[in-house]
Amino acid sequence: QQPVQSPQAVILREGEDAVINCSSSKALYSVHWYRQKHGEAPVFLMILLKGGEQKGHEKISASFNEKKQQSSLYLTASQLSYSGTYFCGTVKMGSGGSNYKLTFGKGTLLTVNP
Amino acid sequence: SQTIHQWPATLVQPVGSPLSLECTVEGTSNPNLYWYRQAAGRGLQLLFYSVGIGQISSEVPQNLSASRPQDRQFILSSKKLLLSDSGFYLCAFLWRYHGYTFGSGTRLTVV
Repeated sequence: QQPVQSPQAVILREGEDAVINCSSSKALYSVHWYRQKHGEAPVFLMILLKGGEQKGHEKISASFNEKKQQSSLYLTASQLSYSGTYFCGTVKMGSGGSNYKLTFGKGTLLTVNP
Repeated sequence: SQTIHQWPATLVQPVGSPLSLECTVEGTSNPNLYWYRQAAGRGLQLLFYSVGIGQISSEVPQNLSASRPQDRQFILSSKKLLLSDSGFYLCAFLWRYHGYTFGSGTRLTVV
C-alpha cells in the first residue's frame, strides 16, 4: 500500500522552513527520502530505520516514529536549490533481504522563491 | 564507486512496436535491481525487481517483461507497446543502507 504524503505542494521564500510528512498503514522496516528535480532521476537523501531515529543532511533532517508509522522531513532555512519534488519510500516490515523493495508516495512539490 | 548506466535517454515508438531498455551497474556485485515507471507528474510505480540472475519478480501485470541475463544487467522489454506505456522509466540498484541509486532514466513516448 502506497504511503500518504502531505502536503501535496508547498511554496516557500528563501530562508523559510518546511515540513513534509509521510504516513503508512503498514508496519515499516525503514523509510527513505528522495528529491527529484524536474526532468531528472530522484536522488537519495537519507534512510531511517526502525528505532525512531533521526538523521540530518546539511539543513535537511528527518525523523521516523515507528509506533505511528510516520516519518517527517524537515527543511530549515531553505535555499533555492531545495526546489523539487520530495518522495518518501517505505519498506514494509518483513521485507528484508531478497524481498527489499520501496513503495513510494505521490510526492510533495516544493518551490523555493527568492 | 558504484555507478548505473541506462539507455537510451529518450525514445519515441509507434503503438505496436517492440521495446528494449537496458540498464547496467558497475562497481558492485549481485545487486538488487529495480525497474520503476513514472507517468507525467505522478509518483514512482514499481514494475519489476530482481535479486539475482534469472530471478524476476513482477509487481504489476501488464504487457511488459524484464530479464536479468547477467549479474549487473537488467533489461525491460515489450513485444507490442500501448499508448499507456508512455512514461519515464527508471532503473535503480540498492546499495545496503545508502538507498536506491537511480539511472538517468528513459523518457518513452508511444505515438
